[in-house]
Amino acid sequence: EDQVTQSPEALRLQEGESSSLNCSYTVSGLRGLFWYRQDPGKGPEFLFTLYSAGEEKEKERLKATLTKKESFLHITAPKPEDSATYLCAVQAGGSSNTGKLIFGQGTTLQVKP
Amino acid sequence: EPEVTQTPSHQVTQMGQEVILRCVPISNHLYFYWYRQILGQKVEFLVSFYNNEISEKSEIFDDQFSVERPDGSNFTLKIRSTKLEDSAMYFCASSEAGGEAFFGQGTRLTVV
Repeated sequence: EDQVTQSPEALRLQEGESSSLNCSYTVSGLRGLFWYRQDPGKGPEFLFTLYSAGEEKEKERLKATLTKKESFLHITAPKPEDSATYLCAVQAGGSSNTGKLIFGQGTTLQVKP
Repeated sequence: EPEVTQTPSHQVTQMGQEVILRCVPISNHLYFYWYRQILGQKVEFLVSFYNNEISEKSEIFDDQFSVERPDGSNFTLKIRSTKLEDSAMYFCASSEAGGEAFFGQGTRLTVV
């Protein structure tokens, strides 16, 4: 069964304290791995897509990396406005691409000033 | 910047009533989805829609649920007879080519 597990569930950082969030996945052929940011009461906001092991993507203080079993979201010198829940999702491979995403439960990040 | 729009933002309904949740996907997108998120839980896939038909649905998406694209811009989710356990945030999403999906802000459905 395709599955996504994120750790830790919650993370508290001081402003400027860098850290990493983990997303482990088991999927029958990875078509793509996606990172989203979700603020309370809002919809997921797209951040990155990763397609193959070794790929990296960056956006401001965020950097996403991918291996054959997991992805990391590295946050460098975070600011309070980076506080949110970060969601990881995968698309499984197969003959037909319906675009279905399988989500992890998320990591809730709190950055204190 | 193009965005997915959902209405209403909050819907309260009595158990057993029908509800229709509405979405306007991004205009050049071809793939449309509904997801739901029960409070404190994962975002769960409900259904995907492509080329005017359902391309995949989850076990959650039973006969009580239906989707429709009545015209060139709207995409709707209908729940025929709501149950208490249908209370959740419902997200519409769209994708240009079946890759990254862009989500709306959600409709909070409360069944009482």
